[in-house]
Amino acid sequence: IQLTQSPSSLSASVGDRVTITCRASQGISSYLAWYQQKPGKAPKLLIYAASTLQSGVPSRFSGSGSGTDFTLTISSLQPEDFATYYCQQLNSYSFGGGTKVEIK
Amino acid sequence: QVQLQESGPGLVKPSQTLSLTCTVSGGSISSGDYYWSWIRQPPGKGLEWIGYIYYSGSTYYNPSLKSRVTISVDTSKNQFSLKLSSVTAADTAVYYCASYREMVAATLRLGFDPWGQGTLVTVSS
Repeated sequence: IQLTQSPSSLSASVGDRVTITCRASQGISSYLAWYQQKPGKAPKLLIYAASTLQSGVPSRFSGSGSGTDFTLTISSLQPEDFATYYCQQLNSYSFGGGTKVEIK
Repeated sequence: QVQLQESGPGLVKPSQTLSLTCTVSGGSISSGDYYWSWIRQPPGKGLEWIGYIYYSGSTYYNPSLKSRVTISVDTSKNQFSLKLSSVTAADTAVYYCASYREMVAATLRLGFDPWGQGTLVTVSS
């Protein structure tokens, strides 16, 4: 199963609403997770089951979708949110190519 | 709180076997629902899932790596290990171990968490 993330990178300002999409090459129900990775650090789980927020993750992060199309939304971008975001499907565990969120 | 820590050589010669160990602390590797996983990330690139093992010894590997990968578990030491044979420069990466949890007959899949800090393995002569 291939996962295609878009965009591959984006520039945004603090306070902006940011949306990242992830499209699966075949249906995966809601078996999708989102991760945040900062330079030199391991990825951090943000969302599983497409829309369930991992414990301790701020509520400005949200996920939606099922089947083949999914989105990760950051409602109001904070300075600590500048990072690379990956989706992962939990049928055969492949990752999307990543979306780098940079400061405008 | 479960923590994971990778260990092993940082430099491996081409054609040799890469060997890494992940030590689990703060919890038992024999806990049900958990699958103990390896993921890698070449420098400046994305993430690639390698495979996982259940405490019973059952394994599941990425088909693209399956012919070269062996994951094993030592429940007495609360550790699991990765062996990748016939390595080339393309296997140079940061290697992470992580736990993956499924519940309710795999209908609830909770993602990979936590992760170890990662260890860089360079393949070079």
